[in-house]
Amino acid sequence: AQKVTQAQTEISVVEKEDVTLDCVYETRDTTYYLFWYKQPPSGELVFLIRRNSFDEQNEISGRYSWNFQKSTSSFNFTITASQVVDSAVYFCALSADTGGFKTIFGAGTRLFVKA
Amino acid sequence: EAQVTQNPRYLITVTGKKLTVTCSQNMNHEYMSWYRQDPGLGLRQIYYSMNVEVTDKGDVPEGYKVSRKEKRNFPLILESPSPNQTSLYFCASGRTGDHEQFFGPGTRLTVL
Repeated sequence: AQKVTQAQTEISVVEKEDVTLDCVYETRDTTYYLFWYKQPPSGELVFLIRRNSFDEQNEISGRYSWNFQKSTSSFNFTITASQVVDSAVYFCALSADTGGFKTIFGAGTRLFVKA
Repeated sequence: EAQVTQNPRYLITVTGKKLTVTCSQNMNHEYMSWYRQDPGLGLRQIYYSMNVEVTDKGDVPEGYKVSRKEKRNFPLILESPSPNQTSLYFCASGRTGDHEQFFGPGTRLTVL
């Protein structure tokens, strides 16, 4: 069975601090995809990144970076120099080729960035 | 503009009164899906469809029905809503090859 665990329910930081959101996944599939989504207070889901299981390269996009490690089944997300606008709920998700197109989401991490 | 639309965005109803939440996408995507979001549980998949006339159960299908008669539409039907179906619902669509999903704006449903 597939599973995504985001152990951090809520994180509170002060602006300009760096923060890492953890994501641990479980799957028996060899081909799978990992995602991060942002849900700001307005409620919509904003796609941040997709990573497939064959690409372990870390990725950086501005202040955002992602660390994918198959050895520890983790796909962690770091925000550098956090800003108030980063306050949101962040979801990690997993989708695999087998079992159709089922996507499993983690419970989410609520990030508060205080000015 | 490429988008997934849902209607209504907000709905308050009473137990047992049948309702339909519509979902439409204009990106010619084969794949469409419905999720519900509840506090502490993240998003859970209700039903998904790989193409027209093909639907499959997700993790929480009880109490819901779907249909996929046209590629662009994927309505969610609650035949007899109950208070435990009070939730935030998202529709999504995507290409089956790359697993990326585009989400609608969400429908907040309250069942009294």
